[in-house]
Amino acid sequence: ELKVEQNPLFLSMQEGKNYTIYCNYSTTSDRLYWYRQDPGKSLESLFVLLSNGAVKQEGRLMASLDTKARLSTLHITAAVHDLSATYFCAANAGGTSYGKLTFGQGTILTVHP
Amino acid sequence: NAGVTQTPKFRVLKTGQSMTLLCAQDMNHEYMYWYRQDPGMGLRLIHYSVGEGTTAKGEVPDGYNVSRLKKQNFLLGLESAAPSQTSVYFCASSHLRGNQPQHFGDGTRLSIL
Repeated sequence: ELKVEQNPLFLSMQEGKNYTIYCNYSTTSDRLYWYRQDPGKSLESLFVLLSNGAVKQEGRLMASLDTKARLSTLHITAAVHDLSATYFCAANAGGTSYGKLTFGQGTILTVHP
Repeated sequence: NAGVTQTPKFRVLKTGQSMTLLCAQDMNHEYMYWYRQDPGMGLRLIHYSVGEGTTAKGEVPDGYNVSRLKKQNFLLGLESAAPSQTSVYFCASSHLRGNQPQHFGDGTRLSIL
């Protein structure tokens, strides 16, 4: 059974600082997703990582995937208040489980002035 | 282009009552999913569908039924609501190809008294 764990679960940052959110998954997965959720809102797709060593960047966010370590990271550079949200990673087991995502618990990010 | 539309957005039920949540997508996606989101637990898959007329169980299917009579619609039913089913329910859809993310609706906030 695929399990996905994120850490930290709560992250309070100062504007301008850098930090990384970690996403570990327990069994082989052929793709990893990152989503953002604002309070009371839907989930917005940030990144889809499809292969070992994949790195994607959008603005102040950069995501990477290490399939050998079963680890994905979401790096935040020079945080700004607008990045305050909950961030989820999700993995799928592939094969016949294609499309069935297992989500992490979410990381609640708060960026302070 | 509306994307994924869920109705209703809010609902309060009494224990034992039944209801149906409707999800509609206009992106011609093959796959559709129902998740529930509870505090601190991320999203958990209830049921999913890989095409019209087909459904399958996810991680937490007990107490729910689904139907997909048309490609664009995916219905989630609660036959006899229980307080443990108080949650936020999200519908999502995706293409057959795995390099695309799942697209989420705005959610249905359901309270069972």
